[in-house]
Amino acid sequence: DIVMTQSPDSLAVSLGERATINCKSSQSVLYNSNNKNYLAWHQQKPGQPPKLLIYWASTRESGVPDRFSGSGSGTDFTLTISSLQAEDVAVYYCQQYYSFPHSFGQGTKLEIK
Amino acid sequence: EVQLLESGGGLVQPGGSLRLSCAASGFTFNTYAMSWVRQAQGKGLEWVSVISDSGASTDYADSVRGRFTISRDNPKNTLYLQMNSLRAEDTAIYYCAKHGCSGTRCYINFWGQGTLVTVSS
Repeated sequence: DIVMTQSPDSLAVSLGERATINCKSSQSVLYNSNNKNYLAWHQQKPGQPPKLLIYWASTRESGVPDRFSGSGSGTDFTLTISSLQAEDVAVYYCQQYYSFPHSFGQGTKLEIK
Repeated sequence: EVQLLESGGGLVQPGGSLRLSCAASGFTFNTYAMSWVRQAQGKGLEWVSVISDSGASTDYADSVRGRFTISRDNPKNTLYLQMNSLRAEDTAIYYCAKHGCSGTRCYINFWGQGTLVTVSS
């Protein structure tokens, strides 16, 4: 099984500042035949279901603000929020869909400093 | 507008059974894979099971394999999760989730609101 490890577990950032969340997989999630990384990022606000932000490691879902971006390849990935807004307070999860089980990271709680 | 409406959750005794349903609308149900993901109170997300667009391919987390069965009724636009031999550790909110592709090796791109399952005597 692929283990997904996020860092940090929690993060406090000032409004307008950059927030960076890391995700590391225990095995590569890059499929060489199509050169795609099978990695998604989901956002979960308090009391709500998760919402997809990023898929294929760097493709932003339709309607997601462009301050959210994903990067990385192989085993190391990053979610960056370029200028934190109050509505970005949430828990963020990475998920690999390269192999079963489609494991999630433990989550990173993002708060306002 | 995509909608996923889960139902069937509730309180059940250890060893009991429940069947969750997820009614889908707003998209062509029979062309997308679907998953169940659960979340215990105050905890993270745990992937439970996936089914391909046709229903021919399924997979399960080790924690539920042999106890849970995922299925779908494409003419009825409905996803199911039959849960048997329930344990206290199965207590969680269960989310129905739509994938962005027909195959099972694909990202989840929409989540339902969830239904709460509580296993307790």
